[in-house]
Amino acid sequence: DVKVTQSSRYLVKRTGEKVFLECVQDMDHENMFWYRQDPGLGLRLIYFSYDVKMKEKGDIPEGYSVSREKKERFSLILESASTNQTSMYLCASSSNGRSTGELFFGEGSRLTVL
Amino acid sequence: AQSVTQLGSHVSVSEGALVLLRCNYSSSVPPYLFWYVQYPNQGLQLLLKYTTGATLVKGINGFEAEFKKSETSFHLTKPSAHMSDAAEYFCAVKKSSGDKLTFGTGTRLAVRP
Repeated sequence: DVKVTQSSRYLVKRTGEKVFLECVQDMDHENMFWYRQDPGLGLRLIYFSYDVKMKEKGDIPEGYSVSREKKERFSLILESASTNQTSMYLCASSSNGRSTGELFFGEGSRLTVL
Repeated sequence: AQSVTQLGSHVSVSEGALVLLRCNYSSSVPPYLFWYVQYPNQGLQLLLKYTTGATLVKGINGFEAEFKKSETSFHLTKPSAHMSDAAEYFCAVKKSSGDKLTFGTGTRLAVRP
């Protein structure tokens, strides 16, 4: 069974802290994505990566960075967390080999910044 | 740029009633269309997708959707709602397999006993 695993389901951090959200996929997918989900706004793309050590900005990259040192792992970094980054963060992956490029999602990481 | 509009952020139906969740898109080319479902405290999972071919697409759990190019719509239906269908549903579109996915804002479905 295909699997995308996000390391933390729930996190509480303080303003100014550095936050790492980890995501691992076991499907040998080339593409990985980070979204944030907020009520009434749907899913918004933060960053994505089409290959190891490659990254592309999505629609809302400000305040975030990413790292992809290995194919299976894609990390989202909040250098200095702020209260407006309180949200649900979803990691997803997809394969170039699939004709439709459908996304497979992790269960999400709910981050609260106090 | 593509966009997706989901009419109705909240929909409530009685158990056994028809489920209709609306999705309209804007795209300059024939799109790839998806419906995803999110159960409470979980990630999204694919419900069904349209790429090419038959415009009526069947998915998991008895859901289906019809691609209507003339109406730029891809509405999701299920003949008879079940309590377990209560979830949030997202419509999404992309221009091609290599394109990024654009999501709608979601519709939360409640099912009344």
